[in-house]
Amino acid sequence: SAVISQKPSRDICQRGTSLTIQCQVDSQVTMMFWYRQQPGQSLTLIATANQGSEATYESGFVIDKFPISRPNLTFSTLTVSNMSPEDSSIYLCSASGGETEAFFGQGTRLTVV
Amino acid sequence: GIQVEQSPPDLILQEGANSTLRCNFSDSVNNLQWFHQNPWGQLINLFYIPSGTKQNGRLSATTVATERYSLLYISSSQTTDSGVYFCAPETSGSRLTFGEGTQLTVNP
Repeated sequence: SAVISQKPSRDICQRGTSLTIQCQVDSQVTMMFWYRQQPGQSLTLIATANQGSEATYESGFVIDKFPISRPNLTFSTLTVSNMSPEDSSIYLCSASGGETEAFFGQGTRLTVV
Repeated sequence: GIQVEQSPPDLILQEGANSTLRCNFSDSVNNLQWFHQNPWGQLINLFYIPSGTKQNGRLSATTVATERYSLLYISSSQTTDSGVYFCAPETSGSRLTFGEGTQLTVNP
């Protein structure tokens, strides 16, 4: 199983600012994803982080708001841009080998004030 | 996109009781995974189960892909089983669609 480290684990940010979340996997993985979990709700897929190319975004999520990088097979970042209180959520990084079980980081609890 | 329905939404048990959680999904899927989210928010993968039955200790899962449902069985529940249980069918590109979850509370 893969071990995924996410940081920061939590942050409180001012509206209008941006936060970059880092995700480090302890082994090379084929697939990396970013999810959002709003308070009391389920997880929603934001995008697939593609190694060496632009991320693939799900409906309702755009690159200008959630730019994603994946420079190699073990690391990805998600930036939450121009934040508003509605962006207060848990953001989770996930990794899998493709057609295998998915593993999750511990999440980043973001509060926007 | 695929629709995922979990039942029951909430479940309260006494320690030692057994339970069955259900997950219905609307389309054909490549596989299905079950997760447990503990009270601290950590998601733990319980089963990767495209079809058939798997067992892991007190937990077992069955997926009947042709009928588009999966079941998670918890036997002899313990207080540490408390949390939210999610099923997540996998569609193209290894993307997971999560159900709304079952909130399980096990009382001592």
